Amino acid sequence: EIQLQESGPGLVKPSQSLSLTCSVTGYTITSGYDWSWIRKFPGNKMEWMGYISYSGSTNYNPSLKSRISITRDTSKNQFFLQLNSVTTEDTATYYCASWELYFDYWGQGVMVTVSS
Amino acid sequence: DIQLTQSPSSMSASLGDRVSLTCQSSQGIGNYLSWYQHKPGKPPKPMIYYATNLADGVPSRFSGSRSGSDYSLTISSLESEDTAIYYCLQYDEYPYTFGAGTKLELK
Repeated sequence: EIQLQESGPGLVKPSQSLSLTCSVTGYTITSGYDWSWIRKFPGNKMEWMGYISYSGSTNYNPSLKSRISITRDTSKNQFFLQLNSVTTEDTATYYCASWELYFDYWGQGVMVTVSS
Repeated sequence: DIQLTQSPSSMSASLGDRVSLTCQSSQGIGNYLSWYQHKPGKPPKPMIYYATNLADGVPSRFSGSRSGSDYSLTISSLESEDTAIYYCLQYDEYPYTFGAGTKLELK
């Protein structure tokens, strides 16, 4: 079974970069699927942030385009989120998820707070 | 971006009730709409995809339908485990967008 697990710091200072890792087991990320980052804000709004495809192409939400980067390490079967110049508005629970016909497999989520 | 409007924003219902949640799209998205159930402390769970198709492992009391630009998620007989926030998601065009969610509680 495919499993995803997010990891990364739970606290980031304003203006710094947020970096998260999604480790995938049970499936090779170069075999298929799009690999996305999604976040849920306090107050329950959800936002799709972007994905990296199995071939390595990326697609980002234009609302984040100047700040976001999604990359991968195929040798470790991981993909990464970097979000630059964070503000308190980026405080959220961050999820990684796989997409085929829908977001079928999700990580448990990691809560990230942006605060000085 | 495509806007999805979910209604109601919250509701309460009794065990065994038939419950329908609605999601209206600001523009045509065909059947490219899915539904997710989200409970506290857990990741979202896919329920419906392509407007009417049940995701793997989802109980048959859940169903999805479409009428024009209005999409519905229906629970035929509410069970206690169905309390959650339900989100619709459009994937007709990027960026994918979610509705604001409907919080479903037990009366």
